[in-house]
Amino acid sequence: SNEVTQPPTLSVSPGQTARITCSGHNLGHRFVCWYQQRPGQSPQLVFYQDTRRPSGVPERFSGSTSGDTATLTITGTQAMDEADYFCQTWDSTTVRFGGGTKLTVL
Amino acid sequence: QVQLVQSGAEVGRPGASVRVSCRTSGYTFSDHYIHWVRQSPGQGLEWVGWSSSDSAGTNYAQKFQGRVTMTRDTSIKTAYMELSGLTSDDTAVYFCARGGYSTSWYILDYWGQGTRVIVSS
Repeated sequence: SNEVTQPPTLSVSPGQTARITCSGHNLGHRFVCWYQQRPGQSPQLVFYQDTRRPSGVPERFSGSTSGDTATLTITGTQAMDEADYFCQTWDSTTVRFGGGTKLTVL
Repeated sequence: QVQLVQSGAEVGRPGASVRVSCRTSGYTFSDHYIHWVRQSPGQGLEWVGWSSSDSAGTNYAQKFQGRVTMTRDTSIKTAYMELSGLTSDDTAVYFCARGGYSTSWYILDYWGQGTRVIVSS
């Protein structure tokens, strides 16, 4: 199967650690990218290639992969992190997104 | 700085075609793929395809093959996506995004602001 699965929702309290997972067949064979999308905005790249964070993305965002599951971790979650998060995988010529996880910080 | 600026909202009739443009600046246009991604109302992201300036040409998601055409005008650093045979299911916001350099083509590192396409009779 080519499906990439994310939990639809996740809720955390401010200051807690949020872990957003992304699962798929052979996911661990490729680097996974993560995007944040706030309401009414375009997606923004927040993590990629297992260890890399774009300039301007806070250090509280990190990523990891174990087997066929990738995880985006937000340490010390803040209210401004409330958004939809999408993982993205790829093969030789195509790209595929996970269904997205709505992170609520309350 | 890198910028991708898309054309304005479009309304298309069922069965018709729509074309969206993506004007870029701040980087070497020919060095990067341009991806197109769409988002239906209240839904997730759906990859449509990419275009390049080199011999790689274009690559479309299977779902859109035969209906989508992606082109580029290097002289004005602008990419285009045309979608034909519109149905109500094509109502969505369409984003262009820059692919990373060379072997990082799959990393969508800068995005346009999105273009709303509404299919309505």
